[in-house]
Order: sequence, then structure tokens, then C-alpha cells
Amino acid sequence: QVQLVQSGAEVKKPGASVRVSCKASGYTFTGHFLHWIRQAPGEGLEWMGGINPRSGATEYAPKFQGRVTMTRDTSISTAYMELNSLVSGDTAIYYCAKDADPLGYCSGGSCYIYFDPWGQGTQVTVSS
Amino acid sequence: SYELTQPPSVSVSPGQTARITCSGDALPQKYAYWYQQKSGQAPVLVMYEDSKRPSGISERFSGSSSGTMATLTISGAQIEDEADYYCYSIDSTANHRVFGGGTKLTVL
Repeated sequence: QVQLVQSGAEVKKPGASVRVSCKASGYTFTGHFLHWIRQAPGEGLEWMGGINPRSGATEYAPKFQGRVTMTRDTSISTAYMELNSLVSGDTAIYYCAKDADPLGYCSGGSCYIYFDPWGQGTQVTVSS
Repeated sequence: SYELTQPPSVSVSPGQTARITCSGDALPQKYAYWYQQKSGQAPVLVMYEDSKRPSGISERFSGSSSGTMATLTISGAQIEDEADYYCYSIDSTANHRVFGGGTKLTVL
């Protein structure tokens, strides 16, 4: 079955960087876009961006452009999300999620549309 | 920026029908998707492309969309359906992915 297993909780100081990993199994890693979504405490869900594991091409939400870097290592079917210049507002659970459709599938002018399944989440706490 | 609007909470008694709405200007052109998030767990897809139910999701769940509003309906709601429900879609211009603010469903 499809599984996404994320790295463990992190505690960082303001100004630092954090890298979260997401190891995929149960499907062809290079066959589906991989998204990153976060959820601040008591808040809703926020799409951060994603990566095409086959080509390495990335797409970032405007809010995170310049501060986030998404990469992958196809040899170990693992994706990474690095967020820089952390502030307290970055305290959140960070999720990776597999795109539900195969790479190359687009509908209504949009590609890499929705997420299924999700990883278990990684708690990132930013505190001095 | 594009927004999807959901009611903060919906409450029903067990066995009743719960309806959770989501409004957005691009919904006439773009599909709505729904995620269920139980306390302390990752979200789970319960409806895609307005009205398609993923395998393994109870037939109690159904979806519809008309104009600028999408609706997730839970027929005969059970205690185990208590969760936060998020609608999700894409805006029709910049392809920004957007979640609604979430609706807390209480079944008691």
C-alpha cells in the first residue's frame, strides 16, 4: 500500500532552517507529483508547494517563494522540504502528500491538483 | 487572493444528515475536493471532483456542486464521523491551491 513516512519532530530557533524528509513506498516515486502542506496550531491547511520527482521541477506558493526549497533523491524515494529564516509563525505540522493523478495528467488547465494519501506529519516548533 | 468559505461548525444528532457547504467564485469552473481530519491525525480524502467517492470511504458520504457552492453530505451521521472537514480547490486564474477554513462536525 502507498505509504509516506516523514522524519521526526524538530525544534528550531528563530532565524534557523529546518529540513523535513518524506520517504515514499508502495508506488513509483517518480510517477507522481509530491506536495507539501502545513497546518499551524488550531489553524487550517496551507499548500506550500511541490516537486516533480522525475524532473526535479518545483512549484512554490507565492507566500513561500524564496524561503522554501524542495528537493528529492530518487535513489531512496525520498523528498525533502527545507524552510529558511524561521519565525514563530512557522510553528506547524508539515505534511507531505502524494498527488492523486500520474505525472502528465491535467484537467481543466490545471495539473497536480489534489492529494492522496498524506504522510503522518512532522511537528516543527520555532522557539527561542 | 482566492478564498473558499465554510461554516465554522455543524452539529447533528446521530443518524441525521449533515451538510457542509463550501463557497468559492471559481467553483463553477473548478472541482471541489473534501478532506476529513480527525483529531491528531493527517487529513484523508473523502470526496474528489465534486462527487466522486474514493474506495474505502463510506457510502454515507456524498458530494455535489452547483454554481459557486459545493456541498459535502453525510447521510446518517455516526459518532465516528466527528472531525474537521476541509474543502479544497484551485482558483481559475493563477492555479493557486486553496483550502477552506474548515468545518468542525459534531455528532451528539
